[in-house]
Amino acid sequence: NAGVTQTPKFQVLKTGQSMTLQCAQDMNHNSMYWYRQDPGMGLRLIYYSASEGTTDKGEVPNGYNVSRLNKREFSLRLESAAPSQTSVYFCASSEIRSVNEQFFGPGTRLTVL
Amino acid sequence: RKEVEQDPGPFNVPEGATVAFNCTYSNSASQSFFWYRQDCRKEPKLLMSVYSSGNEDGRFTAQLNRASQYISLLIRDSKLSDSATYLCVVNINYQLIWGAGTKLIIKP
Repeated sequence: NAGVTQTPKFQVLKTGQSMTLQCAQDMNHNSMYWYRQDPGMGLRLIYYSASEGTTDKGEVPNGYNVSRLNKREFSLRLESAAPSQTSVYFCASSEIRSVNEQFFGPGTRLTVL
Repeated sequence: RKEVEQDPGPFNVPEGATVAFNCTYSNSASQSFFWYRQDCRKEPKLLMSVYSSGNEDGRFTAQLNRASQYISLLIRDSKLSDSATYLCVVNINYQLIWGAGTKLIIKP
């Protein structure tokens, strides 16, 4: 089992460019999440999908969109990247929304110039 | 006031010592609590859940004090491999709120 996989691991964008971060899990989990982690701050939830076919905004959704493609895959899109979106992005999954352990992917380090 | 607060550290501790750190939370409706561990430039991983009666897992002991709204983590006989950042996490209405973490450095 690979667990949670994310691509790419690193990315550098110019302001205004767009990109999609990919995430997949092979644990048959219902819920998936996208977080960002910035220095000196806790993980902040961008979007989550409690179950296949549903998505909801988290704490910091502005500038992002998501797609729950199927039960395994949950992608995050930056339509027009801004320097404020420079961060480490983590995808996570759990059996049930937020109730039990969340399993994380290795992260994507994104720099927006 | 942040919803979940932790001393950022770093806590510099000699190998074999006992170390403890706390995490305070502001929302009394918090339902469940966790400690995650994050190694440098890696993803967070669950260390342990925190139960009302307190719980132990090997060298690690977690306590919850609802009256004072804090949770604690005690590490006994610390190992070099315990060096990491420890993240306090609080579940409020099915949303996890993450502390910024406490950095622990174990020195030989």
